[in-house]
Amino acid sequence: AQTVTQSQPEMSVQEAETVTLSCTYDTSENNYYLFWYKQPPSRQMILVIRQEAYKQQNATENRFSVNFQKAAKSFSLKISDSQLGDTAMYFCAFSSHGQNFVFGPGTRLSVLP
Amino acid sequence: NAGVTQTPKFQVLKTGQSMTLQCAQDMNHNSMYWYRQDPGMGLRLIYYSASEGTTDKGEVPNGYNVSRLNKREFSLRLESAAPSQTSVYFCASSEVRTGYGYTFGSGTRLTVV
Repeated sequence: AQTVTQSQPEMSVQEAETVTLSCTYDTSENNYYLFWYKQPPSRQMILVIRQEAYKQQNATENRFSVNFQKAAKSFSLKISDSQLGDTAMYFCAFSSHGQNFVFGPGTRLSVLP
Repeated sequence: NAGVTQTPKFQVLKTGQSMTLQCAQDMNHNSMYWYRQDPGMGLRLIYYSASEGTTDKGEVPNGYNVSRLNKREFSLRLESAAPSQTSVYFCASSEVRTGYGYTFGSGTRLTVV
């Protein structure tokens, strides 16, 4: 069974600085998908970024980018120019074809003014 | 706005009471899911419906039942609520059980006393 690990329960960053959230996963699949979801205090789950395992190029979405290391089974999220609105829980998730998502335990990120 | 609608947003039950959480999506998605979120444990799958007319158990199905009423609606029932079922519940939907990400409802905070 696939597992997703987020080793940083909590992190903080100063506004305008850069922070990296870590995620590792375990799978025997070769084709799969990885995601980062953001959950602000409103509780809504928001898709931040998505990566397809067969694509070597790292995904980017504005200030959010990933460092996908397939051999190391690592999928970290970098947030540049952090903003107060980035304060949230961040969940890493894994999915493979025909299978349901597996979520990590989450990292609570606080952006400090 | 298109999306996933969950009701109610908050609920307090006494031990032994029953209730049904409602979920509806208007994106014509085939697959729907119920998750529970507990601190430090991420999101755990309770039940899912890969397509209309089918339902299957997820990781933590005990104490719950589901009904896929039609393509749009997927309800979660607690027959006899227990304090261990105190949690935040999320409904989600996706076009297929693969790499396009889930769309989540806004969640239901359930407290069983």
